[in-house]
Amino acid sequence: QVQLVQSGAEVKKPGASVKVSCKASGYTFTGYYMHWVRQAPGQGLEWMGWINPSSGGANYAQKFQGRVTMTRDTSISTAYMELSSLRSDDTAVYYCARTLSYGPGSWGQGTLVTVSS
Amino acid sequence: QSALTQPPSASGSPGQSVTISCTGTSSDVGSYNYVSWYQQHPGKAPKLIIYEVNKRPSGVPDRFSGSKSGNTASLTVSGLQAEDEADYYCSSYAGSDNVVFGGGTKLTVL
Repeated sequence: QVQLVQSGAEVKKPGASVKVSCKASGYTFTGYYMHWVRQAPGQGLEWMGWINPSSGGANYAQKFQGRVTMTRDTSISTAYMELSSLRSDDTAVYYCARTLSYGPGSWGQGTLVTVSS
Repeated sequence: QSALTQPPSASGSPGQSVTISCTGTSSDVGSYNYVSWYQQHPGKAPKLIIYEVNKRPSGVPDRFSGSKSGNTASLTVSGLQAEDEADYYCSSYAGSDNVVFGGGTKLTVL
């Protein structure tokens, strides 16, 4: 079965960067796009972008362009999301999700990123 | 891209049906049959319950159904049960390799 296991919680200072990993198993990693979605405390879901693990090409939501980088390592079936110039309003749970018909399908457990001085 | 519009809350009694709307534009919901719905319980990751407007992943009860008319998609939960109390989100493909979510609806089972 599809399983996405994300890295652990992070605490970062404003201005720093964070890199979250998402290890996939149970399917062919390069066969499905991977979405990244975040959820601030008490707020809704926000789509950040996706990566094509086969080509490495990515598309980012306009809001995050210039600050987010999505990469992958096919040798270990792992996708990464790096967000730079962190601000307090970047405090959120970050999810990876394998695509199903253009939308997020199977989700990881989430990674809490806290930005605080 | 602007978020899709959902009502903040919805409610119904056990056994009743409730419908949640998701309104977009002709650039997203109106143009593509790639609308998905997610259920999220507190402290948990979202779970896909509907994709491609009206298809259910394996294991999702047929009490959950989806539809679309014009720029508005809808999720109907029939035979409400206590465990259906959760937040529900819609998403749509928006063209040019973009996806957009709705703001979410809190469903209360009275």
